Amino acid sequence: QKEVEQDPGPLSVPEGAIVSLNCTYSNSAFQYFMWYRQYSRKGPELLMYTYSSGNKEDGRFTAQVDKSSKYISLFIRDSQPSDSATYLCATTEADSWGKLQFGAGTQVVVTP
Amino acid sequence: GAVVSQHPSRVICKSGTSVKIECRSLDFQATTMFWYRQFPKQSLMLMATSNEGSKATYEQGVEKDKFLINHASLTLSTLTVTSAHPEDSSFYICSARDSLYEQYFGPGTRLTVT
Repeated sequence: QKEVEQDPGPLSVPEGAIVSLNCTYSNSAFQYFMWYRQYSRKGPELLMYTYSSGNKEDGRFTAQVDKSSKYISLFIRDSQPSDSATYLCATTEADSWGKLQFGAGTQVVVTP
Repeated sequence: GAVVSQHPSRVICKSGTSVKIECRSLDFQATTMFWYRQFPKQSLMLMATSNEGSKATYEQGVEKDKFLINHASLTLSTLTVTSAHPEDSSFYICSARDSLYEQYFGPGTRLTVT
């Protein structure tokens, strides 16, 4: 069993819709939860991270973590075609973000 | 934000040859760099952790004699794929960690072994 599970998609939404992404994880020791965006043939770009349970909002992006159910989510409001990319969730145990465990990544396509 | 570069961005080599990939942190010092491999439509898999001035720590299943890592300075780590074979063809991505412990990823290097 993978430590982080993520539906690879693809997830297709019309422009302006809300994109809802999620991951589940198995290791209760994970403390930091990150979301990365990766465009084709590029390195991942950190979107946001949260520590422990709770919500965090940054512009059109909202990240949620529910440690009781080991469930993490990312919501993208007012989606744009430029949001089309692969979104990867990642977690780590240590404060130092030493060893990231990535999900498989969900491909998102926002159609005009 | 912090910038990490990789060179080359794409390389094609013949089976049996060695290839060196460079990872540089351009505007910060990175005591720790990480090397990942990503196959098509799959997630990033950590290969090894590279600490400046010391030996790299390899993940289980990664051959340290095949994937040589050198972290000679606070801004440069290199990954050498020795005696490359077609199954080593992949997208190799490095990341660098700054003093705040946030990881920044490079743009990746696509290796094709013919």
